Amino acid sequence: KAGVTQTPRYLIKTRGQQVTLSCSPISGHRSVSWYQQTPGQGLQFLFEYFSETQRNKGNFPGRFSGRQFSNSRSEMNVSTLELGDSALYLCASSLGGRTEAFFGQGTRLTVV
Amino acid sequence: AQKVTQAQTEISVVEKEDVTLDCVYETRDTTYYLFWYKQPPSGELVFLIRRNSFDEQNEISGRYSWNFQKSTSSFNFTITASQVVDSAVYFCALSVADNYGQNFVFGPGTRLSVLP
Repeated sequence: KAGVTQTPRYLIKTRGQQVTLSCSPISGHRSVSWYQQTPGQGLQFLFEYFSETQRNKGNFPGRFSGRQFSNSRSEMNVSTLELGDSALYLCASSLGGRTEAFFGQGTRLTVV
Repeated sequence: AQKVTQAQTEISVVEKEDVTLDCVYETRDTTYYLFWYKQPPSGELVFLIRRNSFDEQNEISGRYSWNFQKSTSSFNFTITASQVVDSAVYFCALSVADNYGQNFVFGPGTRLSVLP
């Protein structure tokens, strides 16, 4: 059974640009969540999608957005990149509810 | 508000030693779930164990065991006979049951180094 796949693995962007990250969940999983990991703030919840609907959102500015497609694949977008957006972005998929989530290897975004 | 604390920032042990990772959580909810995840250098978070707030039975799974005590809001994790491959960052996480989907609150993590 294939795991959670995130693309790309690494990205370097310039301040002010925008970026789109992609996540393909485990087959059959309809819940996809996104997390930002930085050395200073640790792992922080961005948002969660279930069957194409955003069900929960963390405390991040509106520059961070996401969507989920009918095949459960998800994308997150960050507009007007800032240096502080440099982080490892992790995607997690699950069956939903309080079940365990399975994470991808992440996309490491560097903003210069 | 929910919060997870892992007081141990870094731990070093010699291979075959037992090691316990501490986790203390805060929540006002009576229904919640606790998790342990491991993050090796490759970056992905690997699921280890899940426990719900109604089940304080402590179990052993292979070299892993956990001690869940609601009275002290602690959910400690023990690795028996540690191995070099256990070297990673370990995260304790809390998920509160509500109608708004899945949302983990993670602790800051404990970096475990197992030396040969």
